[in-house]
Amino acid sequence: QVQLQESGPGLVKPSETLSLTCSVSGDSVINSEHYWGYIRLSPGRGLEWIGSILQLADSYPSTYLNPSLKTRLAMSVDASNNHFSLNLTSVTAADTAVYYCARHVRRLGIFDSWGQGTLVTVSS
Amino acid sequence: QSALTQPPSASGSPGQSVTISCSGSISTIGAYNFISWYQKHPGKAPKLIIYEVAKRPSGVPDRFSGSKSGNTASLTVSGLQADDEADYYCSSYAGSNNLMFGGGTKLTVL
Repeated sequence: QVQLQESGPGLVKPSETLSLTCSVSGDSVINSEHYWGYIRLSPGRGLEWIGSILQLADSYPSTYLNPSLKTRLAMSVDASNNHFSLNLTSVTAADTAVYYCARHVRRLGIFDSWGQGTLVTVSS
Repeated sequence: QSALTQPPSASGSPGQSVTISCSGSISTIGAYNFISWYQKHPGKAPKLIIYEVAKRPSGVPDRFSGSKSGNTASLTVSGLQADDEADYYCSSYAGSNNLMFGGGTKLTVL
């Protein structure tokens, strides 16, 4: 059974970079069937897909990013530690949300396993 | 603002049925059958309850059903139970490796 766990700071200052890591167990991040993604939930906007990353063996990762965030967003995979990460730059209060990582089933466009979520607050 | 529009709230009494709509466009719901629904209880992670318009993952009761007509998808919860009280979110593939969620509907069991 796949399990995901988010980690990262709960408080980020405006204009700084939000960095999160998702540790995966029960599945490999090197995977032809699954992307690995981030989704956030904020009171005013509901769920928002942030982006997903696909890591095949012996290949550079492919990233798929929400067009509204892509200029501030980077994602990466650490296969040796079986985790993937998100960096969101130049954050504002609008980026305050609960951030979830999830397994993204490639051919169905669904998130079938989720982490518990981590609250990130952007405030000085 | 979400490109998929859901009513902010819905309600029903135990045992009744309630339907939640998700309105998209010809380039989202109207173009693809990669439409899914998630149930979210407070303090818990979202849970997938419907995928590919009308399919249920293993373990999801058949009281939950999905459908699509034109640019609108719908989730019907039959035989309402207290534990069905939650937020429900629709999602659709939107082309070009883009995914969208609806704004969510808070379902209240009266």
